[in-house]
Amino acid sequence: NAGVTQTPKFQVLKTGQSMTLQCAQDMNHNSMYWYRQDPGMGLRLIYYSASEGTTDKGEVPNGYNVSRLNKREFSLRLESAAPSQTSVYFCASNQLTGLGYEQYFGPGTRLTVT
Amino acid sequence: GENVEQHPSTLSVQEGDSAVIKCTYSDSASNYFPWYKQELGKRPQLIIDIRSNVGEKKDQRIAVTLNKTAKHFSLHITETQPEDSAVYFCAASVQWYGGATNKLIFGTGTLLAVQP
Repeated sequence: NAGVTQTPKFQVLKTGQSMTLQCAQDMNHNSMYWYRQDPGMGLRLIYYSASEGTTDKGEVPNGYNVSRLNKREFSLRLESAAPSQTSVYFCASNQLTGLGYEQYFGPGTRLTVT
Repeated sequence: GENVEQHPSTLSVQEGDSAVIKCTYSDSASNYFPWYKQELGKRPQLIIDIRSNVGEKKDQRIAVTLNKTAKHFSLHITETQPEDSAVYFCAASVQWYGGATNKLIFGTGTLLAVQP
């Protein structure tokens, strides 16, 4: 059971380049999330997918798009990278149950935009 | 909008002392309050959580208390050890799709340093 996996682990982009961050989970969770983590800012939600086929904006969606490819996979795309998108990106997943909503995080992708 | 405030931003204690981190939340409908620990360069991992029908929960050296009236919850770590050094995040659930599922709003984190 790998849990939540993310690729790549590190990436350097030049301003204006595009890229897609990949996330997959093998826990059969319905909900998946993308966060960014910046020093002193905590974890801020970029986009969210409650279930396969649905996506919604979080706190900081500008400059990003997402695709819920299937139940396992949720990708984050930067169409035209900007230095302000330099951050650590975490994918997470959970399963809504009556007992709670623990989110399981992937290992993160460290992105630098120059 | 929904907000979670966390204090202090940094906390330094001597090994063996207790540490307390406090959070307040704004959404009165929040009903789930997890705490995550993040070691340097690692992913956040759940260490303890509490639901709105419980006032206190303990797990060995860590405990969480919840005051729903004040919209306040706290993490208590007793007999701190150097391996407790990390960033700790609180979070509160926020209703989504009329309650069909929940997302989390995170606090800004507390860097805990336990001095040997």
